[in-house]
Amino acid sequence: EAEVAQSPRYKITEKSQAVAFWCDPISGHATLYWYRQILGQGPELLVQFQDESVVDDSQLPKDRFSAERLKGVDSTLKIQPAELGDSAMYLCASSLVITGSTDTQYFGPGTRLTVL
Amino acid sequence: DAKTTQPNSMESNEEEPVHLPCNHSTISGTDYIHWYRQLPSQGPEYVIHGLTSNVNNRMASLAIAEDRKSSTLILHRATLRDAAVYYCIGGDNDMRFGAGTRLTVKP
Repeated sequence: EAEVAQSPRYKITEKSQAVAFWCDPISGHATLYWYRQILGQGPELLVQFQDESVVDDSQLPKDRFSAERLKGVDSTLKIQPAELGDSAMYLCASSLVITGSTDTQYFGPGTRLTVL
Repeated sequence: DAKTTQPNSMESNEEEPVHLPCNHSTISGTDYIHWYRQLPSQGPEYVIHGLTSNVNNRMASLAIAEDRKSSTLILHRATLRDAAVYYCIGGDNDMRFGAGTRLTVKP
């Protein structure tokens, strides 16, 4: 069964350092999402791509976060510089298309970031 | 502001049915209702979705109110492996997760 891949699974960094996460969606899925999940809360959408284009990045803190999906396949989320409050699980998800309704999303295992 | 409303937590006994409610009063006529669940230390996983009619799959059943402003996820026989946080999504084409319902299953 096809799965969304994410790496690394765990990342520990010091504040003010740069950190990057990688996501490989299910093959053929046009839509890719990055979420941040703080412990005890539900996932919060950071950015949504349709192919290589950003559809929604309204909740992305653009002063320190960036995301790209250059060839419309895999994606990288970067934080520079990291802050203590960025400690969270970063989840990637993909879906086949945007159908005009909320399409079924398939999530990866996430990257657990700890900022010291 | 949240698009859906769910109880913070629920408990069930093993082998008994569980009914998890969700209110999605802002849902439009074309938006599907999705349910996901998140096991400890894992990403959310898809459970079921529907539009108007009740739906069944191997994991659960979804009962949708006639006015579509609420739905109920039904686990017919809860197992210890069903202990998770359950999220419902629906309304305004918005993939906004709330805090979900934490289901505890007691042996």
